[in-house]
Amino acid sequence: KAGVTQTPRYLIKTRGQQVTLSCSPISGHRSVSWYQQTPGQGLQFLFEYFSETQRNKGNFPGRFSGRQFSNSRSEMNVSTLELGDSALYLCASQGLAGARTTDTQYFGPGTRLTVL
Amino acid sequence: AQSVTQLGSHVSVSEGALVLLRCNYSSSVPPYLFWYVQYPNQGLQLLLKYTSAATLVKGINGFEAEFKKSETSFHLTKPSAHMSDAAEYFCAVSDRSVTQGGSEKLVFGKGMKLTVNP
Repeated sequence: KAGVTQTPRYLIKTRGQQVTLSCSPISGHRSVSWYQQTPGQGLQFLFEYFSETQRNKGNFPGRFSGRQFSNSRSEMNVSTLELGDSALYLCASQGLAGARTTDTQYFGPGTRLTVL
Repeated sequence: AQSVTQLGSHVSVSEGALVLLRCNYSSSVPPYLFWYVQYPNQGLQLLLKYTSAATLVKGINGFEAEFKKSETSFHLTKPSAHMSDAAEYFCAVSDRSVTQGGSEKLVFGKGMKLTVNP
């Protein structure tokens, strides 16, 4: 089974621009979570999508948004980029055990965003 | 709210020596605990997890961890370090939200960078 894939792997943007990152979960997984990793703040939860609905959201400004498609692929968008948005953005997928998501999140390789 | 603490940010061991990475948790409910490893320029790879079954959990690459409720700890160990173990290790607790449709977010510790000296 293919793992979680994220595109692109690297991005360079300038302040004020917007960016869209993509995540394809493991086949059959319906939950996708996004995390931001920075040297200063570590790994922080952004949001989680399940069956095209945002179920949970972390403490990030509204510039950070996401969506999930019917095939479970997910995108996250950051508008009006700031220097502090430079980070590794990780996507994780979870499968189902009955009607609930399983306990394990599987991570993709991440997208490294640099804001100049 | 759930949280985990990894004291220190770096640990250095000699090849063949014991690896011990400490993790303490705080949780208002029985916790689900995880150890992930991150190699340079890569994502997170699951090493092992505790989900209320056996308290001694064996993972990949010879790692294991023991859940100790009395000490609120979930320390990661490996009897003999290998050069390929050099990486950053993250302890995490699952924050399972009953009010948000069963959504689970991981709350991570700050991470521990392991160096293995020849």
